[in-house]
Amino acid sequence: KAGVTQTPRYLIKTRGQQVTLSCSPISGHRSVSWYQQTPGQGLQFLFEYFSETQRNKGNFPGRFSGRQFSNSRSEMNVSTLELGDSALYLCASSWTGKYGGELFFGEGSRLTVL
Amino acid sequence: AQKVTQAQTEISVVEKEDVTLDCVYETRDTTYYLFWYKQPPSGELVFLIRRNSFDEQNEISGRYSWNFQKSTSSFNFTITASQVVDSAVYFCALSETAIIQGAQKLVFGQGTRLTINP
Repeated sequence: KAGVTQTPRYLIKTRGQQVTLSCSPISGHRSVSWYQQTPGQGLQFLFEYFSETQRNKGNFPGRFSGRQFSNSRSEMNVSTLELGDSALYLCASSWTGKYGGELFFGEGSRLTVL
Repeated sequence: AQKVTQAQTEISVVEKEDVTLDCVYETRDTTYYLFWYKQPPSGELVFLIRRNSFDEQNEISGRYSWNFQKSTSSFNFTITASQVVDSAVYFCALSETAIIQGAQKLVFGQGTRLTINP
């Protein structure tokens, strides 16, 4: 059974650019969550999607957005990149995203902003 | 607001030693879930255990064991007879109640980097 797949694994952007990251959940999983991991702030919740609807959102500026498609695949977008956006972005999927459920994480997309 | 504290930033031990990773949490919820995840160098978070707030039974899985104590708001993780392959960053997390019923958000501790030396 394939795990959570994130693409691209590594990317380098410059300030002011925008970036789109992709996440393919485990087959059958309908909930996708995104987390940002930085050395300073640690792991922080970005947002969660279920059946194409954003159900929960973390405390991030509007430059961070996401969406989910009918096949449960998800994308997140960061516009007007800042140096502080350099991070490992982790996607996690679960069957329903139900409170207390196990999350399955991908290996992440490592973004470097120069 | 929910909070998870892992006071040990880094731990280094020699192989075969026992090691305990501490986790203290804060929440006003009466129902909550606690998790431990392992992050190897490849980056993905690997699920280790989940415990709900009504189940204070300690759990043992091979060389791993977990001690959940609501009285002290702690959920500590012990590795017995550590091995080099146990080297990783370990995260404790708390499932925060979502505004919309059913939507999950994890609050993570800062992580403990565990190095097992041969």
